[in-house]
Order: sequence, then C-alpha cells, then structure tokens
Amino acid sequence: TQLLEQSPQFLSIQEGENLTVYCNSSSVFSSLQWYRQEPGEGPVLLVTVVTGGEVKKLKRLTFQFGDARKDSSLHITAAQPGDTGLYLCAGGTGNQFYFGTGTSLTVIP
Amino acid sequence: SQTIHQWPATLVQPVGSPLSLECTVEGTSNPNLYWYRQAAGRGLQLLFYSVGIGQISSEVPQNLSASRPQDRQFILSSKKLLLSDSGFYLCACSGDSYQETQYFGPGTRLLVL
Repeated sequence: TQLLEQSPQFLSIQEGENLTVYCNSSSVFSSLQWYRQEPGEGPVLLVTVVTGGEVKKLKRLTFQFGDARKDSSLHITAAQPGDTGLYLCAGGTGNQFYFGTGTSLTVIP
Repeated sequence: SQTIHQWPATLVQPVGSPLSLECTVEGTSNPNLYWYRQAAGRGLQLLFYSVGIGQISSEVPQNLSASRPQDRQFILSSKKLLLSDSGFYLCACSGDSYQETQYFGPGTRLLVL
C-alpha cells in the first residue's frame, strides 16, 4: 500500500486548460513537497509546504497543504506544453520520507 | 546548494554482467544518500539509503548492493545483472533527518539485455 496516493494517475489536456492534481494520505506529514520530472531526468523540487492550510504560488502553479496536513493539491492555470511531465508529491512522517504514486501530465499544443 | 552527479547517464549491459553506478554530491557535508529505481512514468522505489560512511540500509531484497566509501560518494553495484534490473536509477541526498527534502541527480538509464 502507498502512503501517498495521487490522482489522477494520467492526465491529458489541451493547452490553455486548467487542472488540479491531488495528493492524499491518512497520515499527518510535517511537510509536503511537490516535484516535477521530465523524461530521462531526475525530479526537480517545485515547492515545500509546511503549515496546515498554507497556499503557495509559483507563477501559474498554486500549491495548497490541507488544514490537517494529510493532503495537498497542485493547481495549474492555463497549462502550457512545457508543463508536461510527471508530478510527484512527497513528504516526511514518522522516521520516513515517502513519495506519491505520481501523476503523468501531457499538455497538447 | 547541493549538486548531485551521476554516471554513466545511460548503460546497456548483458544479463549476468556486473554493474557499478556512481553518485557524488557537492555543496553539502554529512548528507543522507539514497538510491531509487523508477519504472517508466511511475513513482520511485527506494532501494538503499545511507546516513554515513559505511552505513547502508536496504529496503528491498534483491541482487543489488550499495556502498558508501566516502562521505559524498554512493555506489550501486551488482555482481550479476538480471533482466528485471532494467530501469531508471536515481541518486538523491538530503540533510541528516529522514524527513528533510530530497534532491535528485540526473539519473542513469540501465537496459539489461
């Protein structure tokens, strides 16, 4: 079983559309990170959220940490082909660091 | 900030041959180091982690092994590769707490034929 479940697993949208990716768990995390990975490369850290209810914006990307620190969402506004990639959430709880199941996003020009 | 180097970038090896993948870290000291394997378009499977020189913990039983001969060097090895060892191997580092953010190298794509 995965401690961090992401949905959807796959997403294919047209350029200009909006989308939301979810990262859910039954466990409380001290922080959650979002990474983006392009094919053939290592994941690159996008953001870290540490406070329940926190919202962070990175240009067209909006990240939210749930009030109970068990879940997070990533919202992309006006998606562009350059947003294509695998999005991974990750976080630390207990004495472990976990990665989510991943969401593969394709933005069609 | 830390920089992680991995080599080679791509490797094609026959079944039964040995393997050695290297990872080195710059810009930090006493890091935690990790080896992950990733299937195409999927999440990460933690293989090994190390909290210090000579200290290796294995997460998944397999024919792979890891070593940390220096503080900022992490090596993934195998004596005899299997077809199922094919995949994308990522090295990562973090601070000295398991809960800290991990930073990744560029990865090595291994194809076992």
